[in-house]
Amino acid sequence: NAGVTQTPKFQVLKTGQSMTLQCAQDMNHNSMYWYRQDPGMGLRLIYYSASEGTTDKGEVPNGYNVSRLNKREFSLRLESAAPSQTSVYFCASTEGSGTIAYEQYFGPGTRLTVT
Amino acid sequence: KNEVEQSPQNLTAQEGEFITINCSYSVGISALHWLQQHPGGGIVSLFMLSSGKKKHGRLIATINIQEKHSSLHITASHPRDSAVYICAVRYGTYKYIFGTGTRLKVLA
Repeated sequence: NAGVTQTPKFQVLKTGQSMTLQCAQDMNHNSMYWYRQDPGMGLRLIYYSASEGTTDKGEVPNGYNVSRLNKREFSLRLESAAPSQTSVYFCASTEGSGTIAYEQYFGPGTRLTVT
Repeated sequence: KNEVEQSPQNLTAQEGEFITINCSYSVGISALHWLQQHPGGGIVSLFMLSSGKKKHGRLIATINIQEKHSSLHITASHPRDSAVYICAVRYGTYKYIFGTGTRLKVLA
């Protein structure tokens, strides 16, 4: 099993460009997450998906859109990139959803720089 | 004030030392996670706790729900334990608050 995979690993964008970060998991997990990690700060939730076709905003959703087209894949789109979106982006998944907590599995991260 | 506080922020130890990293939180939680982030950036889950104590190899994690405090202990530390250790608390049905991490360096 590959676990959680993310593409690309690195990306440089100019201000105003758009791009989609891809995430896929092969563990049949229900819940998927997109986080960003900035220096000196803990990971912050951008969007969450409890199941195919459902998404919820997290702490820092502005400037991002997400899509959960199927159980495996959860993509994050930047429509018009801004320098403030320079960050490391992590996708994660957990087995269930709802009140029961499960272990989180993380992807390797995407390092994005917006100039 | 951060809702999840870790201490210390940085820690340097000699190989073989016993290490303790602390995590305090201020919200009601359903679970607490300890994560390890390697220098290459990858994040691995070490423990998930809702009460008591768990042990895995040389790692021990404890949680005191009443005091809103958790500790991660590493016995017989080794240079390969050098990493950033992150405490994360789960509240509600899916939300997490992550600490800023403790950067550990173990010298040979």
